Amino acid sequence: EVQLLESGGDLVQPGGSLRLSCAASGFTFTDYAMMWVRQAPGKGLQWVSSLTGPGDGTFYADSVKGRFTVSRDNSKNSLFLQMNSLTAADTAIYYCARGMCSNSACLGGHSDFWGQGTLVTVSS
Amino acid sequence: SYVLTQPPSVSVAPGQTATITCGGDNIGRRSVHWYRQMPGQAPVVVVFDDSGRPSGIPERISGSNSGNTATLTVSRVEAEDEADYYCQVWDSGSDHVVFGGGTKLTVL
Repeated sequence: EVQLLESGGDLVQPGGSLRLSCAASGFTFTDYAMMWVRQAPGKGLQWVSSLTGPGDGTFYADSVKGRFTVSRDNSKNSLFLQMNSLTAADTAIYYCARGMCSNSACLGGHSDFWGQGTLVTVSS
Repeated sequence: SYVLTQPPSVSVAPGQTATITCGGDNIGRRSVHWYRQMPGQAPVVVVFDDSGRPSGIPERISGSNSGNTATLTVSRVEAEDEADYYCQVWDSGSDHVVFGGGTKLTVL
């Protein structure tokens, strides 16, 4: 059974940093691109970042580029999102989601599995 | 950047057909995916690649895509269909995933 479990969400002050993790199981992790999607309270889905299976291609939304870094450890079946210089606008539930295959050509595919999300709150 | 436009809300009586649109410039040239999100839950794909249906999604949910509009159709609407629905594409020009703003489907 495919499972994605996010962790690391917390209350953090503006300007602070946080590292989110997504533990994957039930599939060959390196065979799939992954992405992070967030949802602010009462708002819609917003793409944050995508990463190819080998980790050689990273893509970011304009709103987080230069502040967030996506990475993965395929030996540990884990996806990460390092978030720096956080602001109130980054407050959201952060979901990790699986793509349909490994390389950058797969980034246009849909996400068939999503985690349940982890809440990040940026507030003083 | 590429923009997808959805109506904020659609209301339909049980048993009727709900149509949710997703507008974008020449969206017919792109693959469109649709997600359903129940309150407090993660999104679930209901249509992929314009009209593909994942296993477990009933046949009364269908998708189409042409010109500047992609459409998600929910036939014979049931109470369980009440949810938020989002369209999604990949914008190769910017290498960005793009979501529509979402449509809340209300079953009257």
